[in-house]
Amino acid sequence: DAGVTQSPTHLIKTRGQQVTLRCSPKSGHDTVSWYQQALGQGPQFIFQYYEEEERQRGNFPDRFSGHQFPNYSSELNVNALLLGDSALYLCASSWADRGRLDGYTFGSGTRLTVV
Amino acid sequence: DQQVKQNSPSLSVQEGRISILNCDYTNSMFDYFLWYKKYPAEGPTFLISISSIKDKNEDGRFTVFLNKSAKHLSLHIVPSQPGDSAVYFCAYREGAQKLVFGQGTRLTINP
Repeated sequence: DAGVTQSPTHLIKTRGQQVTLRCSPKSGHDTVSWYQQALGQGPQFIFQYYEEEERQRGNFPDRFSGHQFPNYSSELNVNALLLGDSALYLCASSWADRGRLDGYTFGSGTRLTVV
Repeated sequence: DQQVKQNSPSLSVQEGRISILNCDYTNSMFDYFLWYKKYPAEGPTFLISISSIKDKNEDGRFTVFLNKSAKHLSLHIVPSQPGDSAVYFCAYREGAQKLVFGQGTRLTINP
């Protein structure tokens, strides 16, 4: 049973460019959340998608946007990249009705470097 | 402002001994806490959780203790094994399925 799949694994972009990261949730999961993990920090919540809509958003600027497709997969888009956007981007999937969150499954992440 | 703090960036423990990882939080309304473990080049994996109506939860070698009056959470690993070497994050649940993480503690188990 495949877990959460993220692509690409590594990416180097230039300041000012735009980037799209992709996530396929674990089979049976319908909710996708995105997190940013800067070096030496814990993951920070960016936003969550359920039924193709953004359900909850963290404290990130509008340069960060996302999308969820009918097959529950998701994309994270970041526009006008800044050096400070360099981080590991983690996708997590879950069931919408699992209140306890132990069903949260993370992917291995995409390492984004902005130069 | 950090609402969940792990004040020890790193911890080194001898194999077979007890590992104790600590976490402090600011808001007494937080009602559900979790611990995650993360190996390099992998995503965090769920380890154990505790609801605020309990003060202890055990799962094999892992026990989480919650001290609500002190707003303090700890994870005990007994006995510690080399495979436990990883970064450990505590987190609380906020709203509909959002996790707020601490900064993490790197645990190293020495043979």
